[in-house]
Amino acid sequence: DSGVTQTPKHLITATGQRVTLRCSPRSGDLSVYWYQQSLDQGLQFLIQYYNGEERAKGNILERFSAQQFPDLHSELNLSSLELGDSALYFCASSIHPGGGSDEQFFGPGTRLTVL
Amino acid sequence: EDKVVQSPLSLVVHEGDTVTLNCSYEVTNFRSLLWYKQEKKAPTFLFMLTSSGIEKKSGRLSSILDKKELSSILNITATQTGDSAIYLCAVPPEYNYGQNFVFGPGTRLSVLP
Repeated sequence: DSGVTQTPKHLITATGQRVTLRCSPRSGDLSVYWYQQSLDQGLQFLIQYYNGEERAKGNILERFSAQQFPDLHSELNLSSLELGDSALYFCASSIHPGGGSDEQFFGPGTRLTVL
Repeated sequence: EDKVVQSPLSLVVHEGDTVTLNCSYEVTNFRSLLWYKQEKKAPTFLFMLTSSGIEKKSGRLSSILDKKELSSILNITATQTGDSAIYLCAVPPEYNYGQNFVFGPGTRLSVLP
């Protein structure tokens, strides 16, 4: 158990809908990262927050947005869902703001299925 | 564009064999390289290699960073069925430059009894 929690574990929804994925980092970690993993794309970095502020942005679609709250939990919002958004979404956390200085601890992931 | 390449993409061996997994990178402002093991669920951290720590070892696993060749290898000796997993190589961002965190495609290792 990494100490990172994600909810829900599974999510099944229809195209065009909007969902929110939630992540609670390890106690003491200030950075939160979001990743998307699909069979044909591998692990793709979406976005990073550090202490409430966006720190780095990856291949995140405009239909997706995220935020980190004062209690350091983070939410990833996915809207106007398409079939291709079906994937495993991971959250990870680390202590420092820069990924080059420490390791990330991954949560168990949320499996999103868009029908 | 920053890039991480891994080879082979898939590998099948028998228990007791030794394997070498390769990772090469093309990134600006390199600071470190991370290796992760992903079984059925979330990736778990194995090693972090930096300019000041180019070789790491933990039990049967070891990893070396070659900054000149912009590459790293992960060695697993005396493989066991429990080593079956996807091994991911990643280069984290230099946050001052707003880099993305880049993962390689992974090497899927299958260890047969």
